[in-house]
Amino acid sequence: AQSVTQPDIHITVSEGASLELRCNYSYGATPYLFWYVQSPGQGLQLLLKYFSGDTLVQGIKGFEAEFKRSQSSFNLRKPSVHWSDAAEYFCAVGAGAGRRALTFGSGTRLQVQP
Amino acid sequence: NAGVTQTPKFQVLKTGQSMTLQCAQDMNHEYMSWYRQDPGMGLRLIHYSVGAGITDQGEVPNGYNVSRSTTEDFPLRLLSAAPSQTSVYFCASSTRDSRSSYNEQFFGPGTRLTVL
Repeated sequence: AQSVTQPDIHITVSEGASLELRCNYSYGATPYLFWYVQSPGQGLQLLLKYFSGDTLVQGIKGFEAEFKRSQSSFNLRKPSVHWSDAAEYFCAVGAGAGRRALTFGSGTRLQVQP
Repeated sequence: NAGVTQTPKFQVLKTGQSMTLQCAQDMNHEYMSWYRQDPGMGLRLIHYSVGAGITDQGEVPNGYNVSRSTTEDFPLRLLSAAPSQTSVYFCASSTRDSRSSYNEQFFGPGTRLTVL
């Protein structure tokens, strides 16, 4: 069975600083990987996804993620964090038809200091 | 389009009470699913449906019932609520386009349930 690990429960960065959120996955085949963001009191919004091809994928809101098969990782990055980026971030792997069966990591809560 | 809607937003139940969490989507999506979100555990799949009249269990189905009589609606029923079911519940929907290897899921805003 697939699994996703997000080792950082809580991260605090200063506004304007760079950000990297870690994600490690376990999956038997080629993974379909996702990053979602959840703002307080809101549902989940898809930031970006990786299926195949270029291992560096661009998403919305200036985020990018790099797939590294050798490390089973899919880390999320942003060069300069804005206060509005404060939220909880979830990494997920998709399985089954249409990759709709999502297995989520436990999430990383991002706090942004002024 | 309203997308995926969930009602109620908040609910408090006593142990043993029953209730139904409502989920509706207006995107004509065949696939719908329910997740629960608990602190430190991410989201876990409860039940899902690939179309009207078809449902199946996810990772944590115990204590929950579902049915799918229409494409638009996918209610989640708690027959006898327990404190362990205190959680935030999210509904999601997507297409079932077999021509595509990926069908993006759209999430509702969630229902926060507390069982005393």
